[in-house]
Amino acid sequence: QKEVEQNSGPLSVPEGAIASLNCTYSDRGSQSFFWYRQYSGKSPELIMSIYSNGDKEDGRFTAQLNKASQYVSLLIRDSQPSDSATYLCAITGFQKLVFGTGTRLLVSP
Amino acid sequence: KAGVTQTPRYLIKTRGQQVTLSCSPISGHRSVSWYQQTPGQGLQFLFEYFSETQRNKGNFPGRFSGRQFSNSRSEMNVSTLELGDSALYLCASSLGEFTGRRKETQYFGPGTRLLVL
Repeated sequence: QKEVEQNSGPLSVPEGAIASLNCTYSDRGSQSFFWYRQYSGKSPELIMSIYSNGDKEDGRFTAQLNKASQYVSLLIRDSQPSDSATYLCAITGFQKLVFGTGTRLLVSP
Repeated sequence: KAGVTQTPRYLIKTRGQQVTLSCSPISGHRSVSWYQQTPGQGLQFLFEYFSETQRNKGNFPGRFSGRQFSNSRSEMNVSTLELGDSALYLCASSLGEFTGRRKETQYFGPGTRLLVL
């Protein structure tokens, strides 16, 4: 079982729709969870960090964490073509950050 | 506040050579982590430095090494380059080190793209 799993996609949504990205992890002791966005040829940029169960909202983005079920998700409301990118989920293992392989999101006009 | 900077941005080397990459963290950040990103393997953790000490190391051969200076700047060295070392090398900085399984946000630099011929 991989430490962090994401569906590679692509996830295709029309402009204005809600995009839902999911990530599951295996280490029950993980305490820090991050979502990064990476455009092709660029480095990852932080979207959200979440440390406690529940929802955390920031603008059009909402991160949801459920430690009991070992998943973290990212919702993007009112998706824009500029949101088209690969979204990386990152989870803390012991003394390191473990990344999923990313979900490619395509938002069509 | 300036972000994480990495130099050089692009490098072309041949097999057997060695290479040194540099990373300057965000001002005030004391932790620097290095990652290798390839299309097949994704983002793989190389090592983390905090207060000039290597705190953790990923599953990479000894050809990959690093160090951190007193001003928190870090360098990564790869010796005896192989074709498979072609990748985007990313540096990320954060305020503090890992405490068990808790970590503050890491901010990435633009990366160094290394091509080994």
